Amino acid sequence: DGGITQSPKYLFRKEGQNVTLSCEQNLNHDAMYWYRQDPGQGLRLIYYSQIVNDFQKGDIAEGYSVSREKKESFPLTVTSAQKNPTAFYLCASSTSTSGSGRETQYFGPGTRLLVL
Amino acid sequence: RKEVEQDPGPFNVPEGATVAFNCTYSNSASQSFFWYRQDCRKEPKLLMSVYSSGNEDGRFTAQLNRASQYISLLIRDSKLSDSATYLCVVAMKTSYDKVIFGPGTSLSVIP
Repeated sequence: DGGITQSPKYLFRKEGQNVTLSCEQNLNHDAMYWYRQDPGQGLRLIYYSQIVNDFQKGDIAEGYSVSREKKESFPLTVTSAQKNPTAFYLCASSTSTSGSGRETQYFGPGTRLLVL
Repeated sequence: RKEVEQDPGPFNVPEGATVAFNCTYSNSASQSFFWYRQDCRKEPKLLMSVYSSGNEDGRFTAQLNRASQYISLLIRDSKLSDSATYLCVVAMKTSYDKVIFGPGTSLSVIP
């Protein structure tokens, strides 16, 4: 089945530790995104990538890093510089061609990050 | 002013009721509009796109008013399974396909 997978479902981070969240898609989508969701707030864009080996900062990129070495994969690293990392992290993908429907985003099941 | 605003609710309605959600957006360059549904502790899923002429999908009707920068979602004959948070989503073309999610409106359908 085509879709987006994220792992782990829950992740615990110690102070000063970097952690990496996995995101894989087999939808053959060009564009991939990372969002952060906090209670009572909308999704906020951390990073996005429209094509392999290219990515751009979103609205809240500080304390995060990404890579896009393969079309299918877009891992997110939460670094020790991110002082308030506890949140629900969602990865999404979309087609990046012209025409209708290109903005429709499909989400993975998310990773909940908690700080110990 | 937030780019996309919604009434946070919660909306508590009995089964069979009709409920309407409203959403406003601030950027007149917005081009595409959607409603997503998010169940508790799950990922958002596309419910329906919103077209200029309005569109219907079963019990769900979406309306767009570009002049007022306003979007609505109407749910008729509410079911218990409709209980979720409904996210208003607006997209525009910038250096990428920028998609902005509203904070969501919570709906609880009560037996």
